[in-house]
Amino acid sequence: ELKVEQNPLFLSMQEGKNYTIYCNYSTTSDRLYWYRQDPGKSLESLFVLLSNGAVKQEGRLMASLDTKARLSTLHITAAVHDLSATYFCAVDMEQGAQKLVFGQGTRLTINP
Amino acid sequence: NAGVMQNPRHLVRRRGQEARLRCSPMKGHSHVYWYRQLPEEGLKFMVYLQKENIIDESGMPKERFSAEFPKEGPSILRIQQVVRGDSAAYFCASSPQGTLSPLHFGNGTRLTVT
Repeated sequence: ELKVEQNPLFLSMQEGKNYTIYCNYSTTSDRLYWYRQDPGKSLESLFVLLSNGAVKQEGRLMASLDTKARLSTLHITAAVHDLSATYFCAVDMEQGAQKLVFGQGTRLTINP
Repeated sequence: NAGVMQNPRHLVRRRGQEARLRCSPMKGHSHVYWYRQLPEEGLKFMVYLQKENIIDESGMPKERFSAEFPKEGPSILRIQQVVRGDSAAYFCASSPQGTLSPLHFGNGTRLTVT
């Protein structure tokens, strides 16, 4: 059974600081997604990582994938308050089927 | 281009009643997925449908839950004889056929069973 684990689950940080969220998964997969969810809202797609060594950046967020280590990271640079949200990683259970297994989520709070 | 539309946004049902959740996928999308999110947890896959066809329902409870995606009209997730443990946010997502692009999620239906 595919398991996806994120850490930390809660993260409170000051504006301007850098931090990394980790996502480990238990079985082979070559497709990993990062989503953002604001309270009471839907999920917004941030990144799709499709191959080993993939790195994608958008603004202050950068995601990477190491399929050999079964690890993805989401790095936040010089955090700003607007990035406060819950971040989920998700892995495809079956290639191409979009049956996703989600991590528990990391609730990120950025304090001014 | 409207996104994935779900309704109602909030639904309150008493134990034993039926809940019907609707989802209209994005225009041009032929695949629909339903996920459930319990409080403080990630989403869990329930069912994957194409028009008039259930592709995979391995995540759906065997009893009381059913889903359909008819030729015309929205996809429906139906929960019969609801219990308190069914209280959750139910998200629908859609994607075009044969694509690597991420799922587009609706705003969800928050079901509360009293």
